[in-house]
Amino acid sequence: GDSVTQMEGPVTLSEEAFLTINCTYTATGYPSLFWYVQYPGEGLQLLLKATKADDKGSNKGFEATYRKETTSFHLEKGSVQVSDSAVYFCALGNSGGYQKVTFGTGTKLQVIP
Amino acid sequence: NAGVTQTPKFRVLKTGQSMTLLCAQDMNHEYMYWYRQDPGMGLRLIHYSVGEGTTAKGEVPDGYNVSRLKKQNFLLGLESAAPSQTSVYFCASKRGEETQYFGPGTRLLVL
Repeated sequence: GDSVTQMEGPVTLSEEAFLTINCTYTATGYPSLFWYVQYPGEGLQLLLKATKADDKGSNKGFEATYRKETTSFHLEKGSVQVSDSAVYFCALGNSGGYQKVTFGTGTKLQVIP
Repeated sequence: NAGVTQTPKFRVLKTGQSMTLLCAQDMNHEYMYWYRQDPGMGLRLIHYSVGEGTTAKGEVPDGYNVSRLKKQNFLLGLESAAPSQTSVYFCASKRGEETQYFGPGTRLLVL
């Protein structure tokens, strides 16, 4: 079945540091790939997505590229801020009406001033 | 728009008690979902609904029942709560090809 593997946390970075959170997947077919962010005490919010190979999703300075050859969707940001402290989930989903989404286990990011 | 709301925010139950979690959305979405979030396991799908009056089992449905009598509401029931159901429960909804919108979560503790 489908699965998502993302790097273990927590990740602690200083403000303005470069961020990479690794994510790899296994899936049948051609899924869409997502990064969700969960701020403390809140639900998940879609951060960015990519729907086909070589697509790059981007939002709020975060980027991730759909790499079919390496089955990866790594999340990057050039300069993190304290406000980026959250849990980040990589996920994949089929297209179409009912959307089955498979989530990774989440990576907690803490940014210190 | 309030988006996706969940009631209650937090609840403590004793083993064997029953309760119902309510999810409401005001976006006229057809699809609604219930997930549970446990440490180190990401989110797992409990049940989902593709429209009013329809429900289907997800990945971990045992011990839960659901109903979707109105399009805007999706109820998750625990008939006889067990400590293994201690978790954070998230509801989500979507329309068509759009991605899912999540509620703020309900934290449930079963003693």
